[in-house]
Amino acid sequence: EPEVTQTPSHQVTQMGQEVILRCVPISNHLYFYWYRQILGQKVEFLVSFYNNEISEKSEIFDDQFSVERPDGSNFTLKIRSTKLEDSAMYFCASSADRGLYTFGSGTRLTVV
Amino acid sequence: AQSVTQPDIHITVSEGASLELRCNYSYGATPYLFWYVQSPGQGLQLLLKYFSGDTLVQGIKGFEAEFKRSQSSFNLRKPSVHWSDAAEYFCAVMKTSYDKVIFGPGTSLSVIP
Repeated sequence: EPEVTQTPSHQVTQMGQEVILRCVPISNHLYFYWYRQILGQKVEFLVSFYNNEISEKSEIFDDQFSVERPDGSNFTLKIRSTKLEDSAMYFCASSADRGLYTFGSGTRLTVV
Repeated sequence: AQSVTQPDIHITVSEGASLELRCNYSYGATPYLFWYVQSPGQGLQLLLKYFSGDTLVQGIKGFEAEFKRSQSSFNLRKPSVHWSDAAEYFCAVMKTSYDKVIFGPGTSLSVIP
């Protein structure tokens, strides 16, 4: 069964550093998403991406965040200057059809 | 704005017992409805979905859910719980097929032998 692949599975970074979280969506999917789950809290929408541009973003997705699809296969989330409160599990997802998301297994980001 | 509530933060059931996890949503029209499961340290796995049609939907791992429009509910059920079902369960909604997913706060399920 096709999977959404996220790397790394766990990243530790110092506050103020830039991080890039990487995702390889399912190859024929056209819609891409990032979600965040702070430990013990619910999963929150960050951003959706379609046709090489952001289609929607949440209040969380401020100027510190950016997304990119640098080539035909990768979809990245960049946090420019990490803060302690950015520590969370970040999930990438992709879909091709009618709400049928496939989520990746997540990247746990720890900001120290 | 859409919202999803899961009244039970934590539920403990005995192995072999039946299970019902509650979910209520707030949205004017009928949204797309989902249940996801998350095992500790793992990603989100789709258990089942409701888009339209038969209000009782079957999912993986023996789970089912029933959509009740009058109650704005989409409760998840399983007739006999297995120890491996211990996990966090999230109810979720989408307004349209390509909209963002709005997750509920989750219900943590513990299973005792």
